[in-house]
Amino acid sequence: AQSVTQPDIHITVSEGASLELRCNYSYGATPYLFWYVQSPGQGLQLLLKYFSGDTLVQGIKGFEAEFKRSQSSFNLRKPSVHWSDAAEYFCAVGARNTDKLIFGTGTRLQVFP
Amino acid sequence: DTAVSQTPKYLVTQMGNDKSIKCEQNLGHDTMYWYKQDSKKFLKIMFSYNNKELIINETVPNRFSPKSPDKAHLNLHINSLELGDSAVYFCASTHSRGPNTEAFFGQGTRLTVV
Repeated sequence: AQSVTQPDIHITVSEGASLELRCNYSYGATPYLFWYVQSPGQGLQLLLKYFSGDTLVQGIKGFEAEFKRSQSSFNLRKPSVHWSDAAEYFCAVGARNTDKLIFGTGTRLQVFP
Repeated sequence: DTAVSQTPKYLVTQMGNDKSIKCEQNLGHDTMYWYKQDSKKFLKIMFSYNNKELIINETVPNRFSPKSPDKAHLNLHINSLELGDSAVYFCASTHSRGPNTEAFFGQGTRLTVV
């Protein structure tokens, strides 16, 4: 069965610093991979996704993620964090033979001025 | 215009009551979902419907009954509410079935059972 692990429950960075949020998945084949962001009191919004092809994908709000098959990882990065990036970030995997997304437990990002 | 809208946003009710949460999407999507987010922010799928047909029922207690009167609406009715039902419930929709399409989420309904 597929699963997603986000090792970091809570990350704090200073505004302007770089960011990397970790995501590891478990799945026998190449999955569909997603990063969603949840701002306080809001629903989830898609940041980016990977299906196939170029392993470095660009998303909205200046985020990017890199798929590394050898490490079963899909880490999210941003070179310079803004205070408005403070939110909960969820990695998700979709198996190609099902209709559902499996979410990680999320990483809460705090940004200090 | 809100793409996926849920009502109510907050719901406080006593144990044993029956309550409903409504969801509507104006994106013309074929597939809709209910997810539950617990107090630890863990998000798990409950149900999905495609063109009013139940596709996924993720071993949810039968006190939870989804209803899709048309493909733009997916409501969630909960009977005999229990304390453990307290959570945030998210409705979502996708253009079609399958995990390779972007899901659009509503703002959530925070259900508190007292």
